[in-house]
Amino acid sequence: AQRVTQPEKLLSVFKGAPVELKCNYSYSGSPELFWYVQYSRQRLQLLLRHISRESIKGFTADLNKGETSFHLKKPFAQEEDSAMYYCALRLGGDDKIIFGKGTRLHILP
Amino acid sequence: DVKVTQSSRYLVKRTGEKVFLECVQDMDHENMFWYRQDPGLGLRLIYFSYDVKMKEKGDIPEGYSVSREKKERFSLILESASTNQTSMYLCASSSLKVTSDNYSNQPQHFGDGTRLSIL
Repeated sequence: AQRVTQPEKLLSVFKGAPVELKCNYSYSGSPELFWYVQYSRQRLQLLLRHISRESIKGFTADLNKGETSFHLKKPFAQEEDSAMYYCALRLGGDDKIIFGKGTRLHILP
Repeated sequence: DVKVTQSSRYLVKRTGEKVFLECVQDMDHENMFWYRQDPGLGLRLIYFSYDVKMKEKGDIPEGYSVSREKKERFSLILESASTNQTSMYLCASSSLKVTSDNYSNQPQHFGDGTRLSIL
């Protein structure tokens, strides 16, 4: 069955420290992976998608098909990065998206 | 800029009432979605629609129905509200991008959410 797993419900790191939000997926076909972010009192918004291969707000994520992972990384955390982060999987040829349960990132000053 | 508007930010209803949640998007998107967001459960898809009058069940459709009479509007209906339907409801839309050789579905854009409480 298709599934997205975010093993951490909460991740607290100090400002300036590296951040890695883990995401693993289960899907036998050709996946399309996304990271969405929801800042406090704001709407859920797209952060990045694997096919774009871009860095957004200092975040990057590499799709590792061998490990079925799409971890979100940032070398130096900033206080404004505190938010809820969702990893999402779109199945090939479909517009249904499966979301993970989310990880709350809390940046300590 | 894409605008997805949900008619209410907060709504309080009673058990057994019929509840309508409205969502409008202004970018002529083909696809529209309704999710509920619960702590510890993330986002779960209730229903989605890929065209006017077309709908598909998501992962948790029980107790809900939807209506898409016009392309820009997608309504979520709680036929007989129950307390376990107290949640944050998110609407989203996305477009189909047509390239020279295929169609590809674009990322979803979300509304601000409706926090629904059923008493």
